[in-house]
Amino acid sequence: GAVVSQHPSRVICKSGTSVKIECRSLDFQATTMFWYRQFPKQSLMLMATSNEGSKATYEQGVEKDKFLINHASLTLSTLTVTSAHPEDSSFYICSVTGREAYNSPLHFGNGTRLTVT
Amino acid sequence: AQTVTQSQPEMSVQEAETVTLSCTYDTSESDYYLFWYKQPPSRQMILVIRQEAYKQQNATENRFSVNFQKAAKSFSLKISDSQLGDAAMYFCAYQGGSEKLVFGKGTKLTVNP
Repeated sequence: GAVVSQHPSRVICKSGTSVKIECRSLDFQATTMFWYRQFPKQSLMLMATSNEGSKATYEQGVEKDKFLINHASLTLSTLTVTSAHPEDSSFYICSVTGREAYNSPLHFGNGTRLTVT
Repeated sequence: AQTVTQSQPEMSVQEAETVTLSCTYDTSESDYYLFWYKQPPSRQMILVIRQEAYKQQNATENRFSVNFQKAAKSFSLKISDSQLGDAAMYFCAYQGGSEKLVFGKGTKLTVNP
């Protein structure tokens, strides 16, 4: 069965609104979650690393005030795209690693296709 | 910073034949993991195979095997007896001490019947 649940799978929103994407670890405690963005026909680019109980670490070029990440529990991380614009339209995907950390294969959610009109 | 390079944007193979996808990487770390992920049109990331850098033996998973050359920083994927369902994007990825994955740009594999 699925190890990581990501919701919603698809979302269409109007420019200027905010969208929240949830990533849940179903089978184990996820101390670290990663958020990736994938534009069409491109690779996955890491946006930020989310650590339970602490602030997220953002990659260079990713606006932390625009992409708000909250990792309040060991099973849930959320990514909120604030004041979304058409250029934010993309495929967002989370991955999680457990307390075993380095030896755990990363598990991916099914992704969220965001379309901003 | 670590980088992963996949030099083949597209590859094709005849059904039942063998194909090799190339991947090279750059790192100064001595302990790390390497992965091949498959991404079909559904965009679900599917782990194909994983290699620990400290292991000299090449990883194998059924029809999938790797040729890991640590000194050359090369990590190619061989798919034997290719099947139509193998058609997908394949991403090579590196995981070092930071735990985050660094992906290559991907190789689109087409399997011809």
